[in-house]
Amino acid sequence: SYVVTQSPSVSVAPGKTARITCGGNSIGLKSVHWCQQKPGQAPMVVIYYDSDRPSGIPERFSGSNSGNTATLTISRVEAGDEADYYCQVWDGSSGHLIFGGGTKLTVL
Amino acid sequence: QITLKESGPTLVKPTQTLTLTCTFSGFSLTTSGLGVGWIRQPPGKALDWLAHIFWNDDQRYSPSLKNRLTITKDTSKNQVVLRMTNVDPADTGTYYCARIRPRDSEYAFDIWGQGTMVTVSS
Repeated sequence: SYVVTQSPSVSVAPGKTARITCGGNSIGLKSVHWCQQKPGQAPMVVIYYDSDRPSGIPERFSGSNSGNTATLTISRVEAGDEADYYCQVWDGSSGHLIFGGGTKLTVL
Repeated sequence: QITLKESGPTLVKPTQTLTLTCTFSGFSLTTSGLGVGWIRQPPGKALDWLAHIFWNDDQRYSPSLKNRLTITKDTSKNQVVLRMTNVDPADTGTYYCARIRPRDSEYAFDIWGQGTMVTVSS
């Protein structure tokens, strides 16, 4: 089964740029989706299909995907962005939906 | 507006069968390409995909739990049901259902329910 890996934590100062990565073998050939989960809340999609933003998600959130790494970029980070972020991919060979282990974003 | 809501017992004894229901609105599981899946999250841990079912009744299960899970749909009631047999305290956690949406032969969870907490304890 396909495996995706995320760094456990990322820290960033307010106003700076946070980059959260999701690694996998040739992940650039797959579509990657990103969920944000704040404490005590259900996950919410912030990026679909590598780089599309659902309505209501600020333009500060963007995504890219190439080679073996997909990246969620959060510009001008705010305190309210502090959350766990999970990447998700579809493994076409097995028909399974795979989650990364999650990255905790801390705003200093 | 698309919504999903999970329901089921909050407390289950070890070895019992857990039955969870996802009731949704704003879409139909008779629509080509759509699906509904279940994801769980043990306290303080990561999201873990369990199973999903598509409009055409295609069902997929997490390899580690395949022998204990059954997912079914009732399109007339807009519900998807997950059954997990022989539960263990390690099955304690929040269980979410979410809609699956397709694009270009790939799929993603796009809308999530609020989740339901299940504790397995004697």
